[in-house]
Order: sequence, then C-alpha cells, then structure tokens
Amino acid sequence: EDKVVQSPLSLVVHEGDTVTLNCSYEVTNFRSLLWYKQEKKAPTFLFMLTSSGIEKKSGRLSSILDKKELFSILNITATQTGDSAIYLCAVATGNQFYFGTGTSLTVIP
Amino acid sequence: DTAVSQTPKYLVTQMGNDKSIKCEQNLGHDTMYWYKQDSKKFLKIMFSYNNKELIINETVPNRFSPKSPDKAHLNLHINSLELGDSAVYFCASSQDPGGLAKNIQYFGAGTRLSVL
Repeated sequence: EDKVVQSPLSLVVHEGDTVTLNCSYEVTNFRSLLWYKQEKKAPTFLFMLTSSGIEKKSGRLSSILDKKELFSILNITATQTGDSAIYLCAVATGNQFYFGTGTSLTVIP
Repeated sequence: DTAVSQTPKYLVTQMGNDKSIKCEQNLGHDTMYWYKQDSKKFLKIMFSYNNKELIINETVPNRFSPKSPDKAHLNLHINSLELGDSAVYFCASSQDPGGLAKNIQYFGAGTRLSVL
C-alpha cells in the first residue's frame, strides 16, 4: 500500500532556531515529491523535487530528496513566527497524490 | 482572480440533510480532486476526475457523489449527512493526474462542514 509518513508530528521552537522536517515514502511509480505549507486555509506550494541530491532553495527554506533511501527533508533556518504552520509532504505517482499527516510547526517569539 | 474557488466557505447543517459543495478552477487544468481534512489535519483524497471522468474513487461512503459537468467544475454532493462528515473539504486541480514530473496541485480555500 502506498504511503507517506512525516515526522515529527508537531514541533515547537523559538524564533531563530533551525528546524528539519522529515518525509519518507513507499509508493509505486514515484514521479515527484512536493512540499506544501498550510496556514489557516489552503495548502500553498513550496517545492517540487524530482531528482535526488539536488537542493531546492527559497529564502530560508530548502529541501532535498533522496530517491534511494526514499525520503526528503525540509529545512527552515532562522525561523520566524510567520513560519508557524502545518507542513505537508505529498508524493505524486502515476495517477494521484498521496499526502503525509503533516508536521505542525509552532515558532515562539 | 482566484484560481480554485470553493463555495460555500462554511456549511453548518443538521444530521440527515443533503448538501452540496461547489468547486471551480480557472487554470485550464484537466484534473480536479476532492480531499477531506479531519480534525487531526490529515489530508486524504476522496475523488479525482480527469477531463470529467472519474479516475480515483477512494473508500468513501456512497453518500458522497462527485459530479463534473465540465473539466473546470467538480462539485461534491453529500446525502444523509452524519456527524463524522464534519471536516474541512478541499478542492484542488492540477494539469495532469499526478502522472508527470512537472505537476503541482492548486488548492481551494476549503469548505468547513459542521454537522450538528
């Protein structure tokens, strides 16, 4: 059965800390892995990863994929209160997307 | 312009009622989805339509019936609502059904359904 597992489920840090969120997967016909940020409403797209070892970066956020070990990490450096959200990992296969349970990140001032 | 729009944003109703949630996308995408997000924030796919045809139908009660009049619309009708149906329902669209590498889902703002 295809599945996507994220860890930790929740995380509380102080502003300025660096966090690493994990996403592991077991799917058939892997095509891409996507990270989303969900604040109060709709998930919004952060990154799409298709190749191993190539880091995607956007400001303080970065992500990398390991297709051999079947996982991805999302790093956030110098966290800010605005980073507080649920971070969702999704894997696209041949015909659909599988979402993980999400990691709830809370950044305390 | 909102890319994926859902209506209503909030829906409060009694058990046993029938209700519908509408979704429209103006991105020209071929594939649309319905997801249910429960109180634990787990996002679970319910249905997926590609060019008005059903391609994914996960294990959901047959009280839930999606309808796609055209590829820009995917509505969700729910019969005989139950307490456990309370959740946030998200509509999403993508160019292709997850099959190609260059593929991103765009989500609507969600519909919060509360069944009393």
